[in-house]
Amino acid sequence: AQSVTQPDIHITVSEGASLELRCNYSYGATPYLFWYVQSPGQGLQLLLKYFSGDTLVQGIKGFEAEFKRSQSSFNLRKPSVHWSDAAEYFCAVKGSQGNLIFGKGTKLSVKP
Amino acid sequence: NAGVTQTPKFQVLKTGQSMTLQCAQDMNHNSMYWYRQDPGMGLRLIYYSASEGTTDKGEVPNGYNVSRLNKREFSLRLESAAPSQTSVYFCASTRSGTQNTEAFFGQGTRLTVV
Repeated sequence: AQSVTQPDIHITVSEGASLELRCNYSYGATPYLFWYVQSPGQGLQLLLKYFSGDTLVQGIKGFEAEFKRSQSSFNLRKPSVHWSDAAEYFCAVKGSQGNLIFGKGTKLSVKP
Repeated sequence: NAGVTQTPKFQVLKTGQSMTLQCAQDMNHNSMYWYRQDPGMGLRLIYYSASEGTTDKGEVPNGYNVSRLNKREFSLRLESAAPSQTSVYFCASTRSGTQNTEAFFGQGTRLTVV
């Protein structure tokens, strides 16, 4: 069955520190992968996506993600976190019906 | 650019009441989806419509019905609301469900059933 696992429910980092959010997927075919961010009370904003090609993809707000087929991973990174990055982050893989299969999310807190 | 529009944004229902959540997209997308979001659960698919005139169940369809009114609109109906349906509901659309296209989401409807 298709699934997405985000192992970390909650992460706290200091402002200016680097960030890596983990995502592992289970999908038989070539995956289409996404990272979304959600601020409290808001909708979902697409950070970046991987469809094919270069395994390192750049997104908005200084985020990047690396697709590693051998590890079934699509981890999200940012070199220096800003207080405004505090939010919940969702990894998703596109399912066979065109729907998105989401992980349960990782909540990011940023310490001043 | 309106994108995906959901109405209402907030709603409080009493147990047993019915209501319809509305969703409309102006991007000429073929596929539309309804998800619910619960704390610690991520987003789960309720129903989807791969194209105008078709609808199918997703992961958590019980207690819901949908209508793909036309290519633009996809509504979600709760016939007899239950407290377990307290959630945030998101509508999404994509150009085509089977291609490498991204989904666009509405701003959500926060529903409380008391």
